[in-house]
Amino acid sequence: GAGVSQSPSNKVTEKGKDVELRCDPISGHTALYWYRQSLGQGLEFLIYFQGNSAPDKSGLPSDRFSAERTGGSVSTLTIQRTQQEDSAVYLCASSLDWGLPETQYFGPGTRLLVL
Amino acid sequence: GENVEQHPSTLSVQEGDSAVIKCTYSDSASNYFPWYKQELGKGPQLIIDIRSNVGEKKDQRIAVTLNKTAKHFSLHITETQPEDSAVYFCAASLNTNAGKSTFGDGTTLTVKP
Repeated sequence: GAGVSQSPSNKVTEKGKDVELRCDPISGHTALYWYRQSLGQGLEFLIYFQGNSAPDKSGLPSDRFSAERTGGSVSTLTIQRTQQEDSAVYLCASSLDWGLPETQYFGPGTRLLVL
Repeated sequence: GENVEQHPSTLSVQEGDSAVIKCTYSDSASNYFPWYKQELGKGPQLIIDIRSNVGEKKDQRIAVTLNKTAKHFSLHITETQPEDSAVYFCAASLNTNAGKSTFGDGTTLTVKP
């Protein structure tokens, strides 16, 4: 595709439910990143993938958060037993390679609201 | 870990004036400093970046300066236009892990026609 796409664009869920967020990176981009943006705040790094491997998971807030990437392409971020503090915009980005951050492009984000 | 502070949080200028946004960082090992523009309802867009081996970089109306000794870097926008209105974020990281940047809290720039 022309850019990074994310789905759903908006998600409202009840506290305690699990949610899955999807990211389709730009074709040919080997690196993929997940960030969280709370209202009025900067971006918080969650995890990145180089290919299907996640060398750095240190940004995941808790063990309720997990992510995977298959086929070096699509990635899903899963939040189990959602809490109200998980409400935020979840942004995905991809770049040609982790060592080429200047080639990074962001998707439009998934706005998650936990009631 | 790295800490990035960004000022001001809001900035309003008249069309045609210049705008300056400043950031400071704490980790002297950081050597990659990108700037992003985020429009309402969209993801951030990289607009310019600078690495620590240079002191200034320019791209048309935007420029970034870096002072490694003082650990601060700034974004300069000249001849501002209404379409420059957006939230701007600075970030800092180690070049070897630039995807793990630490971001500032953002500056909301409003350019009045």
